[in-house]
Amino acid sequence: EAQVTQNPRYLITVTGKKLTVTCSQNMNHEYMSWYRQDPGLGLRQIYYSMNVEVTDKGDVPEGYKVSRKEKRNFPLILESPSPNQTSLYFCASSPGGLAAQQIRKRNIQYFGAGTRLSVL
Amino acid sequence: GESVGLHLPTLSVQEGDNSIINCAYSNSASDYFIWYKQESGKGPQFIIDIRSNMDKRQGQRVTVLLNKTVKHLSRQIAATQPGDSAVYFCAEIGSGNTGKLIFGQGTTLQVKP
Repeated sequence: EAQVTQNPRYLITVTGKKLTVTCSQNMNHEYMSWYRQDPGLGLRQIYYSMNVEVTDKGDVPEGYKVSRKEKRNFPLILESPSPNQTSLYFCASSPGGLAAQQIRKRNIQYFGAGTRLSVL
Repeated sequence: GESVGLHLPTLSVQEGDNSIINCAYSNSASDYFIWYKQESGKGPQFIIDIRSNMDKRQGQRVTVLLNKTVKHLSRQIAATQPGDSAVYFCAEIGSGNTGKLIFGQGTTLQVKP
């Protein structure tokens, strides 16, 4: 089954304790992205990756890191979590890559089920 | 700046009625729009998309209308069912070549039996 898998689904941690949220897709998609969803603010992009070893900042990258060492995985790293990073996180992937003519494919993004993070 | 907004945070309809959710966008250069459905405890799910060279796009029970003059799009569902209860987002492609989706804040659709 084609899917985007995030782990863990729920996480409670304390300020300053490094954590990683994993994301994996089995659709051979080139494009992957992380979003956070907050009440009243909707979904906002944190980081994205157009291909292996190609990552870039989204709208709200502060306090986050990502890596794309292989095509299927795109982990989100919080080196020193703070309470304002309490949120619902979504990973997404899309078939499109760097070619401009693939922009339509890139925009149909498929989302994981989400990770609810609480930082105390 | 770029922004996408939905007119109503909550819409309640009777089962079997048609439901219409509206969305306004600010970037007149946007040429691609997507509607997502998000059920409780799940990630957003692609429903239908429309490009700016179209005024209307139809799916099985879904119709999307795009009015570029007033920068407005709407998503209509015919014969709304309880399974349609969810939060609906419109999204547009952001400027540049990042693939970023700019989401509206969402409208919660409640279908009463």
